[in-house]
Amino acid sequence: GENVEQHPSTLSVQEGDSAVIKCTYSDSASNYFPWYKQELGKGPQLIIDIRSNVGEKKDQRIAVTLNKTAKHFSLHITETQPEDSAVYFCAARPPSGDKVIFGPGTSLSVIP
Amino acid sequence: DTGVSQDPRHKITKRGQNVTFRCDPISEHNRLYWYRQTLGQGPEFLTYFQNEAQLEKSRLLSDRFSAERPKGSFSTLEIQRTEQGDSAMYLCASSLSGRIQGYGYTFGSGTRLTVV
Repeated sequence: GENVEQHPSTLSVQEGDSAVIKCTYSDSASNYFPWYKQELGKGPQLIIDIRSNVGEKKDQRIAVTLNKTAKHFSLHITETQPEDSAVYFCAARPPSGDKVIFGPGTSLSVIP
Repeated sequence: DTGVSQDPRHKITKRGQNVTFRCDPISEHNRLYWYRQTLGQGPEFLTYFQNEAQLEKSRLLSDRFSAERPKGSFSTLEIQRTEQGDSAMYLCASSLSGRIQGYGYTFGSGTRLTVV
């Protein structure tokens, strides 16, 4: 089955700097890659997603890139703010069924 | 619509007892998912429904776990004869199948289960 790995597990950046989180997936047929942000005591919240027929997608300060050949995708957050501090999960949707498989998460701390 | 609601938010139970959790999805969403999350880990898929039909269950899901969505609206997740290893956050999510924009889930805030 699909397996998603994520690095780094923790990341600290200064406010205003950029943050990059990288993920790899195992099933080359996976076709959808969402990113979720989880704050303490809350459920994950979808922040951006990308389909397998697109290489890059941007939404204000966040962007996601996908390299299908290498089976990896990345989240880029620019001009980080303290409210970006949270745990971020990448995920991949294999072609069978309608579930997504999550990575283990990256705890991002933005230092004011 | 206020999003996905889960009840209770917290549950403490003794080992061996049965527990039931409830999830109310976004009303127009036809798909409903249950995930389990332990501390420091990503959500782990348990099962999902399209309307009232349970379409997939994780192979990791013990026979002690059962889920229903009787009228295609709210869902319940029951754990029988709870074990300490069942302690986790149980997350419910819903989505609308066939969305052009993507397949993004809306999660609830979860039910935290502690088995003592």
